[in-house]
Amino acid sequence: DIQMTQSPSSLSASVGDRVTITCRASQAISNYLNWYQQRPGEAPQLLIYASFNLYSGVPSRFSGSGSGTDFTLTISSLQPEDFATYHCQQSYSKPYTFGQGTKVEI
Amino acid sequence: QVQLQESGPGLVKPSGTLSLTCIVSSGSISSRNWWTWVRQAPGKGLEWIGEIYDGGITNYNPSLKSRLTISFDKSKNEFSLKLKSLTAADTAVYYCARDHSSGSSGYWGQGTLVTVSS
Repeated sequence: DIQMTQSPSSLSASVGDRVTITCRASQAISNYLNWYQQRPGEAPQLLIYASFNLYSGVPSRFSGSGSGTDFTLTISSLQPEDFATYHCQQSYSKPYTFGQGTKVEI
Repeated sequence: QVQLQESGPGLVKPSGTLSLTCIVSSGSISSRNWWTWVRQAPGKGLEWIGEIYDGGITNYNPSLKSRLTISFDKSKNEFSLKLKSLTAADTAVYYCARDHSSGSSGYWGQGTLVTVSS
């Protein structure tokens, strides 16, 4: 299985901050990397698919980049509703695998 | 847009079998999509369980494959999960989802908590 490692595991930030979360794959996955946001008690929601494509309805302050083994999710200006846990997922090889999550806290 | 809703027991005994159903509305289960199960143990990350495609093609996580069956009931527009020989390690919130593009899951159910305990 492909191992996905996110960093950091958690971070503290303020409204308006620029936030960057990284995800590293244990082997090259081209651009088959997806990002999800999960608020407490809710299901994950797709933010970014195939490394950099913004899912419908997702605000433009979210962006993704990367290819191969190293990927980044950036929130350009953190909003109150963005305090949540973010998960990366590789969809290059089954079983699809997720990172351990990054919790963004105030 | 398509909506998904998980249904099943909240409590299952160890060594028993878990049966969950995902009811699909505002969309057809016969569309050419991958229908997926994902779980999340308390305080842990997400785990991909497996998926099914139109025609009944399935892919399972090897860690669960010997205990797992995913199937369609197209007459009810739903798909289901059966996981046998349960242990406490199977305690989790179980989500059903539908693919969007490039293997991502764009539509999710709200999730259902399953506790394995006597």
